[in-house]
Amino acid sequence: DSGVTQTPKHLITATGQRVTLRCSPRSGDLSVYWYQQSLDQGLQFLIHYYNGEERAKGNILERFSAQQFPDLHSELNLSSLELGDSALYFCASTPMGAPSNEKLFFGSGTQLSVL
Amino acid sequence: DQQVKQNSPSLSVQEGRISILNCDYTNSMFDYFLWYKKYPAEGPTFLISISSIKDKNEDGRFTVFLNKSAKHLSLHIVPSQPGDSAVYFCAASAYDYKLSFGAGTTVTVRA
Repeated sequence: DSGVTQTPKHLITATGQRVTLRCSPRSGDLSVYWYQQSLDQGLQFLIHYYNGEERAKGNILERFSAQQFPDLHSELNLSSLELGDSALYFCASTPMGAPSNEKLFFGSGTQLSVL
Repeated sequence: DQQVKQNSPSLSVQEGRISILNCDYTNSMFDYFLWYKKYPAEGPTFLISISSIKDKNEDGRFTVFLNKSAKHLSLHIVPSQPGDSAVYFCAASAYDYKLSFGAGTTVTVRA
């Protein structure tokens, strides 16, 4: 158990809908990262928050947004969903801001299926 | 733009033998490299890392080798055990906050 909690584990929805994925980082971790893993793809970096502030953006679509709340949990909002958004979404946390010298602690992911 | 590539999607090895996983990268700014291991229905977990100032790092049965001139790294698992059957991701980072991951290699250790 990494200590990172993601809910829900599975989500099935229809095209055009909006969903919210939730992540609770490890106790004391200030940084939260979101990654997307599509079929046969590596993990694609979406966005990084540190202590409530956005630190870096990857290839995140404009239809996607995220935020980190004062209690440090984070939510990833996906709207106007398309079939291609079906993927496994991972959240990860670290104590500090830069991952280059730190390992990420991943949650078990949310499997999103858009039908 | 896939900056980290794992060209072998799968690897099958007999228990007790060596597993060698390969990873190539294109971004010369990468200065830190990591390997993650993932079991089904779980998130990736950190396995081993190496800084660009080193060419080898060892942790028990796991050794990572870095060849900066070739922009290549490899993970050696010796001896391979059934519990090593998993997906292994290579990852790299530069001065920014983004880890770039490869697509993963699925290792199957045969008894």
